[in-house]
This record gives sequence, C-alpha cells and structure tokens, in this order.
Amino acid sequence: DVKVTQSSRYLVKRTGEKVFLECVQDMDHENMFWYRQDPGLGLRLIYFSYDVKMKEKGDIPEGYSVSREKKERFSLILESASTNQTSMYLCASTQVPSVTEAFFGQGTRLTVV
Amino acid sequence: KQEVTQIPAALSVPEGENLVLNCSFTDSAIYNLQWFRQDPGKGLTSLLLIQSSQREQTSGRLNASLDKSSGRSTLYIAASQPGDSATYLCAVKTGANNLFFGTGTRLTVIP
Repeated sequence: DVKVTQSSRYLVKRTGEKVFLECVQDMDHENMFWYRQDPGLGLRLIYFSYDVKMKEKGDIPEGYSVSREKKERFSLILESASTNQTSMYLCASTQVPSVTEAFFGQGTRLTVV
Repeated sequence: KQEVTQIPAALSVPEGENLVLNCSFTDSAIYNLQWFRQDPGKGLTSLLLIQSSQREQTSGRLNASLDKSSGRSTLYIAASQPGDSATYLCAVKTGANNLFFGTGTRLTVIP
C-alpha cells in the first residue's frame, strides 16, 4: 500500500520561529509537492521537486523554502513563521511519467500565534 | 493559466439518492484528471484517475467521466450513504509538475 507520511498532524508555533514540515514517501516517486489549503482558496502550490536537490517555485513560494536531500524526503521550511502562514499543509508525490496518480499525505494543520 | 471550477460548492441529499458532482476546466490540454475525497481536517484520498485518452473510470459506486474537448468531468455516486459525506475535489494535470485543483464540493448525505 502506497504511503505519503507527514511528520506532524498538528503544530503550534510562535511568530518568528523557524518551522520544519517533513514529508516522506515510500513509493520511489521522483516528483514531490507542497501545497497549502485555505478556505475559499483551495489548494495552492508552494514548491515542488522533480529530483534530489532539484526544486521549482510554485504559485506562492514567498516566505517558504524547501529541501530535498534524499529522494524519499521533502521538507518545507518556514524561515520566520508569520500568522498569515496559519494553514493546512499537504504534501504529495507522483511518479514520472506524469500520467500517474498523485498521492497525498494526511496533512499538517499549522497554527502560528 | 488553468482554472478549475466545481459547482455546486455544497450539496445535501437524502441517503440512497444518486448524485452528480461537476468539474470544469479552462485548458483542455491535460494529461489526466483525478477525483479526490477529503474528510474534515484530513489529507486527500484518491478516488479515480482518468487519463486524457479515456472517457470514464469506475470504482464500485463511483463513476467518473471526462469530456476533454468541452473541459468537463462529472463524478457520479450511486446509492449515496452517510459515509460518503466529505468534500470532493477534482484536479487536472497539465504538465509534469503541477496539479490544478478546484475548490471542492462539500457533500452531506442525510440518513
């Protein structure tokens, strides 16, 4: 059974803290993604990675960075958390070629206070 | 840029009813379309994947259709059950590296 695992279901952090969200997939997928989901706005792409150490900005990369040192792990970093980054964060992975299914993790609900 | 729309935003039906959820997209140059289910506070669970060359896919009580030329997909749920209550999202893949999502239809099945 395929699996994408996010390290935390819920996180509460203070403004200005550096925050790490971790995602691990066990399917040997090349592509990994970070989205945030907000009411009325749907899912928006923050960053994606198509290979180890490779990354591309999505639609809303400001205030975020990512790291992919190993194929199975993709980390999202909030350099200095702000209250407007309170959101649900979702990690996903897909195989290449791009016609295959996307698999999502269970989500991390981040609250910045 | 691809835009995906789902109508209605919310739907309530009595248990046992058949129902259709709609998804439309503006750019027909897609690789595939995927339907997901999301329970409150949870991640997305994949329901059905339709490749651009296919017209429909079925899984149990679910049937998804795709009309690429008109930019539309439907998800048909037969004999709805309270356990089907969730938000249903459609997403289209237009390149190797992105999925474009609709904002979802929140379905409530009333016992």
